[in-house]
Amino acid sequence: KQEVTQIPAALSVPEGENLVLNCSFTDSAIYNLQWFRQDPGKGLTSLLLIQSSQREQTSGRLNASLDKSSGRSTLYIAASQPGDSATYLCAVLDGGSQGNLIFGKGTKLSVKP
Amino acid sequence: DAGITQSPRYKITETGRQVTLMCHQTWSHSYMFWYRQDLGHGLRLIYYSAAADITDKGEVPDGYVVSRSKTENFPLTLESATRSQTSVYFCASRDRDRGQPLHFGNGTRLTVT
Repeated sequence: KQEVTQIPAALSVPEGENLVLNCSFTDSAIYNLQWFRQDPGKGLTSLLLIQSSQREQTSGRLNASLDKSSGRSTLYIAASQPGDSATYLCAVLDGGSQGNLIFGKGTKLSVKP
Repeated sequence: DAGITQSPRYKITETGRQVTLMCHQTWSHSYMFWYRQDLGHGLRLIYYSAAADITDKGEVPDGYVVSRSKTENFPLTLESATRSQTSVYFCASRDRDRGQPLHFGNGTRLTVT
């Protein structure tokens, strides 16, 4: 059974720092991996989606990498800002699944001015 | 406006009552999903639907019923609410292509007293 782990559960950094969020999964036979952002009281917003054949995806200050063989993904945030404060979740879609994303429990990021 | 709309945003009900959570999407996405989010458990899939009149169980389906008579609507019914169903419920949708991202509504916070 696929399991997704995100460490640390919470992270606090000063504004301007570059940071890395980690995501690991137990079964490497994934179809894709998706990173989401969740603000308090809100739904999840898709940030980046990496297909299993890709190594990384970039959007603005965000860069997500995927190492399928080792079961790891990282989300790199450059020059962090207080507005980046949120919970970040990663989720994997198994290769044999039609639609069920398996989620990690998230990393709560706080960027202090 | 395009997107996913969930209603109500907040609901308080009593144990044993039937309650229906509504979900409406304007993208004509094939797939729709219901997740619940709880502290300590993260996001767990309740039910999903690949198309109108096609539904399937997720990880935690007991106590819930779904229907999908129209592509754009995917209501979730708690037939006899229990306190353990107190949670935040998220509806999501996705195109038929598994390589497309998942889009979420803003959630319904349900409290069962």
